Amino acid sequence: NSKVIQTPRYLVKGQGQKAKMRCIPEKGHPVVFWYQQNKNNEFKFLINFQNQEVLQQIDMTEKRFSAECPSNSPCSLEIQSSEAGDSALYLCASSLQGHTEVFFGKGTRLTVV
Amino acid sequence: QQKVQQSPESLIVPEGGMASLNCTSSDRNVDYFWWYRQHSGKSPKMLMSIFSNGEKEEGRFTVHLNKASLHTSLHIRDSQPSDSALYLCAASRGSALGRLHFGAGTQLIVIP
Repeated sequence: NSKVIQTPRYLVKGQGQKAKMRCIPEKGHPVVFWYQQNKNNEFKFLINFQNQEVLQQIDMTEKRFSAECPSNSPCSLEIQSSEAGDSALYLCASSLQGHTEVFFGKGTRLTVV
Repeated sequence: QQKVQQSPESLIVPEGGMASLNCTSSDRNVDYFWWYRQHSGKSPKMLMSIFSNGEKEEGRFTVHLNKASLHTSLHIRDSQPSDSALYLCAASRGSALGRLHFGAGTQLIVIP
């Protein structure tokens, strides 16, 4: 069973609305990733953190998303103004360090109507 | 552009048969390969990883890696209906703290 906990499992938002999802990484894992998996099963890396610091993020994330991983609180990913193309499964994952297994949560399925 | 290419897109094998899945990276900086399995509606779970040239076997699953061609393959022998899933290949670089570059996957269907 995945020990990466994501909430909510499903999210429905109107275009232009904010969409916020949360992730509790596996205990002791300092590295957290967010990926977007579209209906064609293609993965897009969005952002990763080591402890509370952003390591890398793509342009889309920087421009349209707000993400953080505060200490002692869940990580979060928020789309500031949802678009139809944002409809996808958002997967949070965590790991101990580079080149160790990355564990995925069950995802938040976002539908933008 | 897609840096990790998987083939075939879909594969149907009979129960008890052998399933062979392929994956190639076009990024010469990658040095680790991972195979994940994702059942419908579930999260991806790591099956096997490989970093060195050669072969690695775990039960019914065997992974090969050719580092010169950046090609890896996953072979499932004695396939079971429960093996039906999306198989994802991912590659990572040592310098990138585990960021995975995924292929689009191979959808495996095992017919009873």
